[in-house]
Amino acid sequence: ETGVTQSPTHLIKTRGQQVTLRCSSQSGHNTVSWYQQALGQGPQFIFQYYREEENGRGNFPPRFSGLQFPNYSSELNVNALELDDSALYLCASSLALGQGKYGYTFGSGTRLTVV
Amino acid sequence: AQTVTQSQPEMSVQEAETVTLSCTYDTSENNYYLFWYKQPPSRQMILVIRQEAYKQQNATENRFSVNFQKAAKSFSLKISDSQLGDTAMYFCAFMKQLGNEKLTFGTGTRLTIIP
Repeated sequence: ETGVTQSPTHLIKTRGQQVTLRCSSQSGHNTVSWYQQALGQGPQFIFQYYREEENGRGNFPPRFSGLQFPNYSSELNVNALELDDSALYLCASSLALGQGKYGYTFGSGTRLTVV
Repeated sequence: AQTVTQSQPEMSVQEAETVTLSCTYDTSENNYYLFWYKQPPSRQMILVIRQEAYKQQNATENRFSVNFQKAAKSFSLKISDSQLGDTAMYFCAFMKQLGNEKLTFGTGTRLTIIP
């Protein structure tokens, strides 16, 4: 079975720009969550998607938005980039809603640098 | 709101020795899940072990075991017969039983296994 795949692996953007990060969840997984991991910190929950609907959101401003597609792949969009958005963005999938308690499958992340 | 505290930023141990990583958490919930995730240099979070709060028995997975003290809100990870491949960041994480399935992570402990 394939794991969680994220693209791109690294990205450099300029302050004020917009960025789209992509995630292909593990085969058969319909629930996807996104996390932001700043340098030296633990990951922070951004939001979760289940069957194309947002199912919970962390303490992030509206310029962080997401999509989930019918094939359960997902995108994280960030508008008006700020320097503090520089971080590792992790995608995690689980088999179905309610299954995250058994553990998530994480991708290797996208390292975003905002200059 | 839940908080997770890992008070050991860095630890090192000789190969084959035993090491214990500490984690405390704060919550008003009675039922929840606790996890230890490992993040090697590849950046991918890997589930090491999980514990359900309603279970008194401590979880064990091969060389990994936990000491779960619910009243003290403590959840330590013991790694026996440590191996070079155990070198990584280790994150303790909390998930409520009800509501969205977000993980609340600690700030991590960097573990180095010395040959």
